[in-house]
Amino acid sequence: AQRVTQPEKLLSVFKGAPVELKCNYSYSGSPELFWYVQYSRQRLQLLLRHISRESIKGFTADLNKGETSFHLKKPFAQEEDSAMYYCALKGPWGNNRLAFGKGNQVVVIP
Amino acid sequence: GAVVSQHPSRVICKSGTSVKIECRSLDFQATTMFWYRQFPKQSLMLMATSNEGSKATYEQGVEKDKFLINHASLTLSTLTVTSAHPEDSSFYICSARVLQGEGSPLHFGNGTRLTVT
Repeated sequence: AQRVTQPEKLLSVFKGAPVELKCNYSYSGSPELFWYVQYSRQRLQLLLRHISRESIKGFTADLNKGETSFHLKKPFAQEEDSAMYYCALKGPWGNNRLAFGKGNQVVVIP
Repeated sequence: GAVVSQHPSRVICKSGTSVKIECRSLDFQATTMFWYRQFPKQSLMLMATSNEGSKATYEQGVEKDKFLINHASLTLSTLTVTSAHPEDSSFYICSARVLQGEGSPLHFGNGTRLTVT
């Protein structure tokens, strides 16, 4: 069963508009959630993680255990935000393995 | 920052041959590395967890005899696709953690595009 769900595959927004990428997970325990980003022709890299409660490049994500969500948000999109974004869950499987969502392609229109 | 090097970045092989992909942690030691497979427009699917000095742990549905993993040192893990078939064509990505602690991020290689003809 898929543990991480990212419903929208492609998201196009205008520069300066807000961006929200949805991520829902299925896990009954205490999850650890991450957002990874892959810019064009670059490797996948960590964007942020919920335990840090930090804002990276203007992005924030709040873990909502009631809704089992970890949506990624940015109030004002920039062109350099165009990338693939993956939500990931570290669950009880041991050895620090991650389960990834299918990813969202974000295109910021100038 | 931590760098994971993956080689080759692209390989084309004939059906029935074997292909080896290397994953190296360049400036840190990785007791555990992870091998992922990504189909076009789909998510990364974990294939196996590579443990230095011991057998790899394979995910359900992944044939261990087909995808041989060797993690002989703290900086190198290899994935060998044996007797490759066209359906094995995919994008293979390795990753490793700098630290084994909770929440420590994964560092990814650039991936290997395998095409089996």
